[in-house]
Amino acid sequence: KNEVEQSPQNLTAQEGEFITINCSYSVGISALHWLQQHPGGGIVSLFMLSSGKKKHGRLIATINIQEKHSSLHITASHPRDSAVYICAVRSLQGAQKLVFGQGTRLTINP
Amino acid sequence: NAGVTQTPKFRVLKTGQSMTLLCAQDMNHEYMYWYRQDPGMGLRLIHYSVGEGTTAKGEVPDGYNVSRLKKQNFLLGLESAAPSQTSVYFCASSTRGAKNIQYFGAGTRLSVL
Repeated sequence: KNEVEQSPQNLTAQEGEFITINCSYSVGISALHWLQQHPGGGIVSLFMLSSGKKKHGRLIATINIQEKHSSLHITASHPRDSAVYICAVRSLQGAQKLVFGQGTRLTINP
Repeated sequence: NAGVTQTPKFRVLKTGQSMTLLCAQDMNHEYMYWYRQDPGMGLRLIHYSVGEGTTAKGEVPDGYNVSRLKKQNFLLGLESAAPSQTSVYFCASSTRGAKNIQYFGAGTRLSVL
């Protein structure tokens, strides 16, 4: 079993829909990251969380440390949100390193 | 300010050939990382470095070597390429500290025939 599991693996939605991507992990962590990988391949960091909730524009990330679960929400989705969204955790044992989920491929149709 | 720059962007090798991938960062970051990304799998750490002159093995180090002779550069070497090393390689860097964000290069797509 992977230390970081994302669901769904693939998600297709219509423009304007509310999107939720889930991330569950099995180890104690110091931080959780959400990253975005565009079709061109580049990877950028969206959020770093250690508790609670963060919001940036139409993106919201939440984390529940007790349940070892995080969600990434996109409100009023747009075709330009189409990308692979990746969850990654810093475990308490390997603080210099990230462990990555497999990614969720999101496609927003106009 | 270029951030993290990887060269080359694409490369095709024959089995047994050697090559070096270069990663350069201009953010004065202490930590640097090399990952590989394969279809259906998450990014996997090959090697990493927590400072100039130091390197450490990651999750999938076999078949690769690295060097960090200068703080801004992290080199990934393949001494004898194998088809199993066909992948997309990403370099990343971050400041010191357990919670700091990693900044990624654009990736190198390598095919080994």
